[in-house]
Amino acid sequence: GESVGLHLPTLSVQEGDNSIINCAYSNSASDYFIWYKQESGKGPQFIIDIRSNMDKRQGQRVTVLLNKTVKHLSLQIAATQPGDSAVYFCAESGPRRGSTLGRLYFGRGTQLTVWP
Amino acid sequence: DGGITQSPKYLFRKEGQNVTLSCEQNLNHDAMYWYRQDPGQGLRLIYYSQIVNDFQKGDIAEGYSVSREKKESFPLTVTSAQKNPTAFYLCASSTRDVRGYTFGSGTRLTVV
Repeated sequence: GESVGLHLPTLSVQEGDNSIINCAYSNSASDYFIWYKQESGKGPQFIIDIRSNMDKRQGQRVTVLLNKTVKHLSLQIAATQPGDSAVYFCAESGPRRGSTLGRLYFGRGTQLTVWP
Repeated sequence: DGGITQSPKYLFRKEGQNVTLSCEQNLNHDAMYWYRQDPGQGLRLIYYSQIVNDFQKGDIAEGYSVSREKKESFPLTVTSAQKNPTAFYLCASSTRDVRGYTFGSGTRLTVV
């Protein structure tokens, strides 16, 4: 089946630096991708999404880049803050079945730690 | 405010007992999902439902059961057949096109 993996299980950065979290996805038919942030003991929260007809999308302090050629997704966080410390998951939509996508496929997650 | 609510937040179960975790949403989403998360691990899909009275097994359905009698509700029963039920359980809902995918705050189940 489809799977989404992450290159690095942990990432430590200094406060104020930029962070880049990477994700490799496996299904070339996926047309929708999402990044989530999960703080300890809480449910994942939506950060940003991107459709496969785009290469880049920007939000507030976050940017998602999509490289369909190598099936790679990245999340860039500018001026990383201690409050950004969390586990970050990427997810892909998988192939479309008829008019619906059905489910998301999640990666294992990257633990981001921000040092003051 | 629209959202998705899981209850209880913490649940303790004796070995051999069935327990039911509640998940309710008022987002008017057609699809609902249950995930299991173990410490330091990702999300594994247990069951999902795209429409009332219909649901599909996910990747780790053994030892679990669900029902979808109402659009707003998707309860998960952890049965005694689940040999290692201690975990953090997350419910989510979305449109049928997985847009607006929203998670609840989770239920932490511990076997005592």
